Amino acid sequence: NAGVTQTPKFQVLKTGQSMTLQCAQDMNHEYMSWYRQDPGMGLRLIHYSVGAGITDQGEVPNGYNVSRLNKREFSLRLESAAPSQTSVYFCASSYGTDRVYEQYFGPGTRLTVT
Amino acid sequence: GQNIDQPTEMTATEGAIVQINCTYQTSGFNGLFWYQQHAGEAPTFLSYNVLDGLEEKGRFSSFLSRSKGYSYLLLKELQMKDSASYLCAVVDSNYQLIWGAGTKLIIKP
Repeated sequence: NAGVTQTPKFQVLKTGQSMTLQCAQDMNHEYMSWYRQDPGMGLRLIHYSVGAGITDQGEVPNGYNVSRLNKREFSLRLESAAPSQTSVYFCASSYGTDRVYEQYFGPGTRLTVT
Repeated sequence: GQNIDQPTEMTATEGAIVQINCTYQTSGFNGLFWYQQHAGEAPTFLSYNVLDGLEEKGRFSSFLSRSKGYSYLLLKELQMKDSASYLCAVVDSNYQLIWGAGTKLIIKP
């Protein structure tokens, strides 16, 4: 069981460039989400998904798009990166959608936008 | 607005006991989580409280008082590997997780 995997682990982008962060889980979880973590702040939810093809916005969705093509994979796309998007990004998954369950996090992607 | 308050940093001695507090003001309450996060790593689940009282799990215990909007995480017999950040997160009335900024715990020998 790999749990939740994320690629890449590190990335440096120039302003205006685009990239996609990949996330996959092998626990058959329904719920998946993307967070960003900045110093001195709590984790902030970007987007989440309750199943394949079903996504919704979180607290800070602007500048990000997501795609959940199947139960396993949930990707996050930055179309035109900005320095304000410099952060650590975590993908998480959890068992169900009837209530909030324990979240399993991927190892994180450290993104720097110059 | 919704708010989770935790101390920014705490220091404790190896072998001792430490209590990390979390107070919250949220729109509704549907549970409270504690996570541990070592530097440079992902958060990992520690505990979940939805009813008032103390939940014990080995060296770690978590307490909840819904009427006071208050929880604490109690760590006993501290070990150097307990040096980490501890994150409090509350489930609000919309079943969304609201996260505190975390408490960095430094353990000294």
